[in-house]
Amino acid sequence: LAKTTQPISMDSYEGQEVNITCSHNNIATNDYITWYQQFPSQGPRFIIQGYKTKVTNEVASLFIPADRKSSTLSLPRVSLSDTAVYYCLVGDGDNSGATNKLIFGTGTLLAVQP
Amino acid sequence: DTEVTQTPKHLVMGMTNKKSLKCEQHMGHRAMYWYKQKAKKPPELMFVYSYEKLSINESVPSRFSPECPNSSLLNLHLHALQPEDSALYLCASSQDGVAIQETQYFGPGTRLLVL
Repeated sequence: LAKTTQPISMDSYEGQEVNITCSHNNIATNDYITWYQQFPSQGPRFIIQGYKTKVTNEVASLFIPADRKSSTLSLPRVSLSDTAVYYCLVGDGDNSGATNKLIFGTGTLLAVQP
Repeated sequence: DTEVTQTPKHLVMGMTNKKSLKCEQHMGHRAMYWYKQKAKKPPELMFVYSYEKLSINESVPSRFSPECPNSSLLNLHLHALQPEDSALYLCASSQDGVAIQETQYFGPGTRLLVL
């Protein structure tokens, strides 16, 4: 199985930009990279998705280098309410079937301080 | 309506009990998923239904039995569970299939404790 790793935790202050990186060294060639946010005792919530280069929406940006072996979620100006666990989700490139196994990253706990 | 609902929110059961978890969505999604999440770990995929047919079973023990009565409902039947099965069980749905391109919408989960 592909290893999809993230830093265990990150600390930030309100108003700062936060960048969280996910390493996915065996991502499936035809799959997208998706990031989710999870608060305690809740299900994950979709943040952003991309295939290559850069994607931006109203809450975040996603940077993906040409080799696609990593991706970086950028949260522009974090607030206290952004304190949560952030997961990347990729398809496992080891699976030769039409449907690739979905692999969540190890998760990064972002703690935003006032 | 972009909500996935799950019942019950909490469940305590003994190792000889039979119980069921329920999940419902009214977004017209044709793919539904069960995940298991242990504390401080990422969700692990258990089952996927696509167009009401089981399309993925991630080698889950037979004491977990999924059921998809119709396109809006997904059940997980539990029987003879072990204490290590205690976890948060998450249901999700997506538009059409299992492709990584699809956004999954997750429910709040059922917190299960097996005694």
